[in-house]
Amino acid sequence: DGGITQSPKYLFRKEGQNVTLSCEQNLNHDAMYWYRQDPGQGLRLIYYSQIVNDFQKGDIAEGYSVSREKKESFPLTVTSAQKNPTAFYLCASRGTAGGPYNEQFFGPGTRLTVL
Amino acid sequence: AQTVTQSQPEMSVQEAETVTLSCTYDTSESDYYLFWYKQPPSRQMILVIRQEAYKQQNATENRFSANFQKAAKSFSLKISDSQLGDAAMYFCAYANTGNQFYFGTGTSLTVIP
Repeated sequence: DGGITQSPKYLFRKEGQNVTLSCEQNLNHDAMYWYRQDPGQGLRLIYYSQIVNDFQKGDIAEGYSVSREKKESFPLTVTSAQKNPTAFYLCASRGTAGGPYNEQFFGPGTRLTVL
Repeated sequence: AQTVTQSQPEMSVQEAETVTLSCTYDTSESDYYLFWYKQPPSRQMILVIRQEAYKQQNATENRFSANFQKAAKSFSLKISDSQLGDAAMYFCAYANTGNQFYFGTGTSLTVIP
């Protein structure tokens, strides 16, 4: 089946540790996105990538890093510099052929909790 | 950056009735795209409806219909014949030609049996 997978579903981290969230898609989409979701704040863009080996910062990139070495994969690292990392993280992808009319497809999300 | 405003944090509707969720956005661009996404308790985001700014005709998908007012920068979602399965968070989103998406803060919809 085509889709987006995120792992793990739940993740616990001790303060001061870096942690990497996985996002994989087999939809052959060029663009991939990472969002953070907090109660009452909707989805906020962390990073996005429109092509392999290229990515741009979103509105809240501080304390996060990404890589895009393969078209299918867009992992997100939450570093110890992120002051309040406990949140729900959503990965999305989108085909760019045809322009922005194409919707984003979302993964099931990862809930990160800092202990 | 563009902003998307959903001024109704919570809404409720009786089963089989109609409800309208509001969304306004701020942009100086003439070409853009608007979306409504549904997020049920499973937290899986699902596309409900989408609208191209240069099309005056309102988008419809079965019981879901949009009311797009370009001059007012408004993009509301009407849900007709509400069903229990419609209970969810609903997010309005704006996409520019640079492929960035901007989301509102969401409206939590409760459907009362």
